[in-house]
Amino acid sequence: QKEVEQNSGPLSVPEGAIASLNCTYSDRGSQSFFWYRQYSGKSPELIMSIYSNGDKEDGRFTAQLNKASQYVSLLIRDSQPSDSATYLCAVKGGGGFKTIFGAGTRLFVKA
Amino acid sequence: AAGVIQSPRHLIKEKRETATLKCYPIPRHDTVYWYQQGPGQDPQFLISFYEKMQSDKGSIPDRFSAQQFSDYHSELNMSSLELGDSALYFCASTRRLAGVQNQETQYFGPGTRLLVL
Repeated sequence: QKEVEQNSGPLSVPEGAIASLNCTYSDRGSQSFFWYRQYSGKSPELIMSIYSNGDKEDGRFTAQLNKASQYVSLLIRDSQPSDSATYLCAVKGGGGFKTIFGAGTRLFVKA
Repeated sequence: AAGVIQSPRHLIKEKRETATLKCYPIPRHDTVYWYQQGPGQDPQFLISFYEKMQSDKGSIPDRFSAQQFSDYHSELNMSSLELGDSALYFCASTRRLAGVQNQETQYFGPGTRLLVL
């Protein structure tokens, strides 16, 4: 079992719809959770970070964390074609510097 | 705002050659991370440095070594290159937050694309 699991997709949604991206992790000691967006051939770009249970909203993006279920998600409202990219879930454990990335979910937003 | 700088951006080497990748973190950032990302793969953590000392080690081959210098820039040295080393190599930097462990955001550089022929 990978330490951070994501559905590889592709996830296809129409423009204006809500895109829901999910991620599960295996290390219960994990403390920090990040969502990165990566366009093909480009470097990952931070979208959201979340550290405590519940929801965190930033513009069209909402991150949700449930530590009991070891689950973190990202909702993208009013999806735009420019949101089409690979979304990487990243998890950082307690005490260490290492960040573990999931394999990423490819999102396609159809105009 | 200043970003993470990596050089070179592209590098072509032959098998068994050596390569050195450089990373210049964002000013005042004290921590550097190296990642390797193969085609269609997620970034794999290689190694990290905090205040010029190795802080964590991931799946870095023994043929690779890295260090962080007094000006906080870092270099990844790769020897005896293999075809499978062809990948994007990202450097990320962050500044450790006192008393708030693990909440630092990593800022990624543009990457070095290494092709081993």
